[in-house]
Amino acid sequence: NAGVTQTPKFQVLKTGQSMTLQCAQDMNHEYMSWYRQDPGMGLRLIHYSVGAGITDQGEVPNGYNVSRSTTEDFPLRLLSAAPSQTSVYFCASLGQGERGEAFFGQGTRLTVV
Amino acid sequence: GENVEQHPSTLSVQEGDSAVIKCTYSDSASNYFPWYKQELGKGPQLIIDIRSNVGEKKDQRIAVTLNKTAKHFSLHITETQPEDSAVYFCAASDSWGKLQFGAGTQVVVTP
Repeated sequence: NAGVTQTPKFQVLKTGQSMTLQCAQDMNHEYMSWYRQDPGMGLRLIHYSVGAGITDQGEVPNGYNVSRSTTEDFPLRLLSAAPSQTSVYFCASLGQGERGEAFFGQGTRLTVV
Repeated sequence: GENVEQHPSTLSVQEGDSAVIKCTYSDSASNYFPWYKQELGKGPQLIIDIRSNVGEKKDQRIAVTLNKTAKHFSLHITETQPEDSAVYFCAASDSWGKLQFGAGTQVVVTP
């Protein structure tokens, strides 16, 4: 039972480089989201998706793009990395119904130099 | 939008004592309040949650209380153990999936 899988676990980028953070879930959840975690700031929502083909912006979307071509995958793209994007990134998927528990991946630690 | 404040930012307790973390929220439409535990190097994991039609919920050594009038909710951990050491996050949501998190509380349980 894999749950939510994120790759890579660690990444170092140079300013201006681009990359994609991968996220996949095997729970058939409709809702998926990306958060960034910075010291003293909790988790802040970057983008989210309520189903395949539907995405929307969260609290801190600038500098990030997402797409949702399948229910399982929700990649996060950094088109031109900046030092301010140094952070730990978490992908989450959400079950439906009364509980609505969010399941998080293990995180990707990104450093932009 | 929703704003969630969490206190304290760090909490040190002796093993066996109780720990209390408090959160306030701003949006009266919020109706779902989960608590997450994050261990070092891992993603947050749900430990307990409460909905606005319930005032208190308990699961073994952890409990959550909700005061909708005052817009605050609290996490209580009794008989703390070293394995309770972690970062704890509260969150609030008024719609499916859009969780607003507090800044987190680092809990350290000393033997």
